[in-house]
Amino acid sequence: DQQVKQNSPSLSVQEGRISILNCDYTNSMFDYFLWYKKYPAEGPTFLISISSIKDKNEDGRFTVFLNKSAKHLSLHIVPSQPGDSAVYFCAASSSGFGTGNQFYFGTGTSLTVIP
Amino acid sequence: AAGVIQSPRHLIKEKRETATLKCYPIPRHDTVYWYQQGPGQDPQFLISFYEKMQSDKGSIPDRFSAQQFSDYHSELNMSSLELGDSALYFCASSLGGLQGGTEAFFGQGTRLTVV
Repeated sequence: DQQVKQNSPSLSVQEGRISILNCDYTNSMFDYFLWYKKYPAEGPTFLISISSIKDKNEDGRFTVFLNKSAKHLSLHIVPSQPGDSAVYFCAASSSGFGTGNQFYFGTGTSLTVIP
Repeated sequence: AAGVIQSPRHLIKEKRETATLKCYPIPRHDTVYWYQQGPGQDPQFLISFYEKMQSDKGSIPDRFSAQQFSDYHSELNMSSLELGDSALYFCASSLGGLQGGTEAFFGQGTRLTVV
């Protein structure tokens, strides 16, 4: 049962344009969300996170938006660069049950930024 | 800055053998998470530890065990290896879990191949 879903397995964007990666979740207890970028055979690299008390968090070219009522979050990359080409995973966790709770990953979206 | 260190990076074992994967968290981090990622799949949570105690448990087979030591490093012990255990094994660490907005950072992973 996939609690975090990324319905677009792949996305292609022209360099300089905006990349929008979407993520949906089903568990209303999730209150912390993270985005990771991953290259083949490497560990996921943390990008940006957002707590459920916010609806937006910005860090340089990366902005994450959270819509709690829709159980939806999105990652915006502006402007997109060829080096952004990778697989992007969203992850969600619940802090309600103690420290060290697992975080659940989505299925990933492969982003290709075309020069 | 120091990152999460995993060893070994690559491991080849035969069926029914045992394997031990090690994870050294970022200094001062007290929480360790283990994830397994099969080819083309999203990372699946195995187990986590906080302050040397098991914190959360996912889809970890009974053939696997793990612990966190006094220096906060963690070891994942895998016995009676099966072909299906071939995967990338990632360890992540965080400070105090994901409560309070801390992030989890991943190591580069151990690629286990069972032949």
